[in-house]
Amino acid sequence: NAGVTQTPKFRVLKTGQSMTLLCAQDMNHEYMYWYRQDPGMGLRLIHYSVGEGTTAKGEVPDGYNVSRLKKQNFLLGLESAAPSQTSVYFCASRLTGAREQYFGPGTRLTVT
Amino acid sequence: QQQVKQSPQSLIVQKGGISIINCAYENTAFDYFPWYQQFPGKGPALLIAIRPDVSEKKEGRFTISFNKSAKQFSLHIMDSQPGDSATYFCAATLNQAGTALIFGKGTTLSVSS
Repeated sequence: NAGVTQTPKFRVLKTGQSMTLLCAQDMNHEYMYWYRQDPGMGLRLIHYSVGEGTTAKGEVPDGYNVSRLKKQNFLLGLESAAPSQTSVYFCASRLTGAREQYFGPGTRLTVT
Repeated sequence: QQQVKQSPQSLIVQKGGISIINCAYENTAFDYFPWYQQFPGKGPALLIAIRPDVSEKKEGRFTISFNKSAKQFSLHIMDSQPGDSATYFCAATLNQAGTALIFGKGTTLSVSS
């Protein structure tokens, strides 16, 4: 099993550009999450999904959109990137009834 | 409002020493308290976790101590090794559908040889 994978690993955007980050998991997990990690801030939840076709807002959802069209994939979109969205983005997933979240390797995004 | 407070921000320990990282939480409904370890350029990985019905959990050199009345929990790393140098995050969560982890801000541990 590959676990949780994220694409791309690195990306540089200019202010106002858009992009989509892809998270994929092969563990048949129902729950999927998008976090951002900033220096000295820990990880903060952006959006999450409790199953295919469902999404919900987390702590810092502004400027992001998500979609969960397939159970194994969770997409994070930035419609108009801003420098404040420069961060490392992590995807995680977990099985219903289990408490452990499995994290992907992250995507480092820089917005200039 | 920060629901999980972690200290210290950074820690330097000599090889063979004991590393101690502390966390305090506010929400008494939290019922699962994991610690994650993160190496540079990698995603966080679960290290050890505890539920509030026990006061201590040990896995190898890693121990969680939990004080429910004080709303505090800590990670102890015995016989610290250079390979333990990483960032450690405490977290807490509720047993509710969709609830995510609430993370502390992290502690960067450096173990000197």
